[in-house]
Amino acid sequence: ETGVTQTPRHLVMGMTNKKSLKCEQHLGHNAMYWYKQSAKKPLELMFVYNFKEQTENNSVPSRFSPECPNSSHLFLHLHTLQPEDSALYLCASSRTDRDTEAFFGQGTRLTVV
Amino acid sequence: KNQVEQSPQSLIILEGKNCTLQCNYTVSPFSNLRWYKQDTGRGPVSLTIMTFSENTKSNGRYTATLDADTKQSSLHITASQLSDSASYICVVSYRGSTLGRLYFGRGTQLTVWP
Repeated sequence: ETGVTQTPRHLVMGMTNKKSLKCEQHLGHNAMYWYKQSAKKPLELMFVYNFKEQTENNSVPSRFSPECPNSSHLFLHLHTLQPEDSALYLCASSRTDRDTEAFFGQGTRLTVV
Repeated sequence: KNQVEQSPQSLIILEGKNCTLQCNYTVSPFSNLRWYKQDTGRGPVSLTIMTFSENTKSNGRYTATLDADTKQSSLHITASQLSDSASYICVVSYRGSTLGRLYFGRGTQLTVWP
C-alpha cells in the first residue's frame, strides 16, 4: 500500500445524486491532489491543496466541489454529474506542492448513469 | 507546447521476453522524468526518476534511460513476468514546477502472456 487510501473503490450514481469521494493519507504530507483519469487520456489535474489551502483549480466544473479539512484528508463532493464524468478519480499526496513525486491512492472508479 | 508522447500505445509479449517502452517529450526547461507503473484498477506507483545528469538507472528488472539532448527516455523490462502486465506512464516535470505542473503521457499498456 502506498499510504494513500481512497473510498469507495467503486461508485455508481445517477445524474441527480449527490455523493462524496474520500481520500486519506498517512504519509505526513502537506499537499494533496485530485486527478481524473479517463480511458486513453493522460491524467488530468483537477485540484491542488497545500497546507489545507486550495492553490489550484484546473477549470473544473462546479459540479465537482473539493474539501480539505486538514492536511491528511481530502474530499470530492459530486452533484448533478454527467455520463462523461465517468472515470477513475485518483487522489495523490506529496511532501509539499514543490515536490515532484506523487504518491497515489488506488482510485475510485466512478460510473454515472 | 509542452507534451509527453509514449509509444507504443499497447504491447503484448510472452513471459520471459524483454521489451522497451519509449517516451518523447518537449517539456522545457526540463527538471526530471519519472516512470510509473499502474496496475489495473490501482493508482500509479513510481518506478524510477531520471534527472538531467543521469543517463541510466535500474530498479530490479526495470532499466530507464534518458537522453536529455534528444528529449527521449526509454524503459526496458528484462525477463518479463506476468505481474509486469500494467500501464506504464511517463511523467515529466519542468524546472521550478510544483506537482500541479507535471506533464503525463497517455501510457503504454503492456500485456505479458504465459
